[in-house]
Amino acid sequence: KAGVTQTPRYLIKTRGQQVTLSCSPISGHRSVSWYQQTPGQGLQFLFEYFSETQRNKGNFPGRFSGRQFSNSRSEMNVSTLELGDSALYLCASSLDTSGDSYEQYFGPGTRLTVT
Amino acid sequence: AQSVSQHNHHVILSEAASLELGCNYSYGGTVNLFWYVQYPGQHLQLLLKYFSGDPLVKGIKGFEAEFIKSKFSFNLRKPSVQWSDTAEYFCAVHAGNNRKLIWGLGTSLAVNP
Repeated sequence: KAGVTQTPRYLIKTRGQQVTLSCSPISGHRSVSWYQQTPGQGLQFLFEYFSETQRNKGNFPGRFSGRQFSNSRSEMNVSTLELGDSALYLCASSLDTSGDSYEQYFGPGTRLTVT
Repeated sequence: AQSVSQHNHHVILSEAASLELGCNYSYGGTVNLFWYVQYPGQHLQLLLKYFSGDPLVKGIKGFEAEFIKSKFSFNLRKPSVQWSDTAEYFCAVHAGNNRKLIWGLGTSLAVNP
């Protein structure tokens, strides 16, 4: 079974631009979560989607948004990029049938550099 | 607010040394506990997890962790580390009805051959 895939793997953008990152979960997984990983802050939760609905949201500004499609693929968008948005963006999927297991499987991440 | 603390940010060991990485969380109710590992250049992957039952859980590659409810701790251990254990280790907690995983800041482990 294929793992979680994220595209693109690397991205360089300029301040003020916007960016869209994509995540394809493991087949059959319905929950997709997004994280921002930086050396000083560790993993910061952005949001979680389940069945095309945002089920949970972290403490990030409205410039960060996401969505999930009917095939469970998810995208996140960051508008008006700032230097501080440079980070590794991780996507994780989970089977989440019972709602209790919450074991997450991670993709390789998208390395975003904002100049 | 719920939080997870990993006490050791950077650990350097020699091969065959014993390892213990601390993880404490702040939440008084039911928790699910996880340790994830990120090897250099690789994905985050699950090392082990605790949901219920025996508080001593065994994971992959000889790792184990003990859940001590009274201490709100879930420390990771390995009796004898190898150079290949060099990685970043993250503790994460799923607490109560909150569907978010709360993460520690991670511990960077370097094992010298």
